[in-house]
Amino acid sequence: DIVLTQSPATLSLSPGERATLSCRASQSVSSYLAWYQQKPGQAPRLLIYDASNRATGIPARFSGSGSGTDFTLTISSLEPEDFAVYYCQQRSNWQYTFGQGTKLEIK
Amino acid sequence: EVQLLESGGGLVQPGGSLRLSCAASGFTFSSYAMNWVRQAPGKGLEWVSVVTASGGNTYYADSVKGRFTISRDNSKNTLYLQMNSLRAEDTAVYYCAKGWALGYFDCWGQGTLVTVSS
Repeated sequence: DIVLTQSPATLSLSPGERATLSCRASQSVSSYLAWYQQKPGQAPRLLIYDASNRATGIPARFSGSGSGTDFTLTISSLEPEDFAVYYCQQRSNWQYTFGQGTKLEIK
Repeated sequence: EVQLLESGGGLVQPGGSLRLSCAASGFTFSSYAMNWVRQAPGKGLEWVSVVTASGGNTYYADSVKGRFTISRDNSKNTLYLQMNSLRAEDTAVYYCAKGWALGYFDCWGQGTLVTVSS
């Protein structure tokens, strides 16, 4: 199975700052990677699919990039509601895996 | 509006069985693959299983293969997960998630908690 490794585990930033989250795959997943946001007590929400496409209703401050094994989620200017846990996920061959998550916390 | 409502969770002893259901509304259920994803307390997300739109194909994570069975009833807009031989490590919130774009999850239920303990 493809293993996704996210870094850092925790990212401490202030509102208005730029956040850069990373996801590395153990083998190439082409561009078949998504990012999700999860807040405490809530279900995850799809943010980005196919590495760089924003899902419906997702603000433009969220962007994704990468291909192959290295991917990045960028939040250009953090809003208070953006502090949450973020997961990457790959969709290879009907065997899907998530990364372990990055917690984005208020500094 | 898409809605997914899970039910059937609860406390079960190790080795026991449980069946989860997910009632779907607000979209053409029979046109989409459907998934179960779980989250152990305080841990990350783990994909469990997927069933294709017709129900003809199913796939499982290695951790549940041979113990869990996913199925669907398109006439009732309902997804199921039959869980047998449950273990303590199966304790988690189980989410029903609508499949999209061949392997992503664009809508999620609120989850149902399964606790495996004696």
